[in-house]
Amino acid sequence: NAGVTQTPKFQVLKTGQSMTLQCAQDMNHNSMYWYRQDPGMGLRLIYYSASEGTTDKGEVPNGYNVSRLNKREFSLRLESAAPSQTSVYFCASSEGGGDPRGGYTFGSGTRLTVV
Amino acid sequence: LAKTTQPISMDSYEGQEVNITCSHNNIATNDYITWYQQFPSQGPRFIIQGYKTKVTNEVASLFIPADRKSSTLSLPRVSLSDTAVYYCSRGSSYKLIFGSGTRLLVRP
Repeated sequence: NAGVTQTPKFQVLKTGQSMTLQCAQDMNHNSMYWYRQDPGMGLRLIYYSASEGTTDKGEVPNGYNVSRLNKREFSLRLESAAPSQTSVYFCASSEGGGDPRGGYTFGSGTRLTVV
Repeated sequence: LAKTTQPISMDSYEGQEVNITCSHNNIATNDYITWYQQFPSQGPRFIIQGYKTKVTNEVASLFIPADRKSSTLSLPRVSLSDTAVYYCSRGSSYKLIFGSGTRLLVRP
């Protein structure tokens, strides 16, 4: 019963490098999300995918791209990492339809440091 | 600008009831209020959700007044294992807005 699985758990990048954060869920959820968590700022939505084949910007999308590979997988890409992107990244999923009832299921996070 | 505000930290003792209040003054008609719990090195975990009045489950109660401009998470008889960060969130569609979190410390 894995739920939402994120890889990697930790990553250190140099400024300007690129990388992709992977996320997969096994709950047959329709909607998936990427959040970043910074001290004192709670969780902020980067991008979301309401359903397979669709993606939309959230509150802080600049510097990121996403791909909804299939119903299970939703990846987040940093094309040219910057120190301001140092954060903990969480992937989440929900049954979808835009209805928050039942809440989101979160992964355990990826701690990213950009030096 | 939609904003969700909650206290930065709270202290309690084992066996006490803890109430954490969240302010969401400009909540939208369709918004639900959801509370999450987060332990270090883990993702947030769903605790309870409501729209108005009172909701109770096996771990907590959620009180929402008629104007829905605030909500209160109530944790009965806390234990040391309830030490965590608690997040209030509000939203109706795909854009959940989270508060900055309340760090609850439960002392023996």
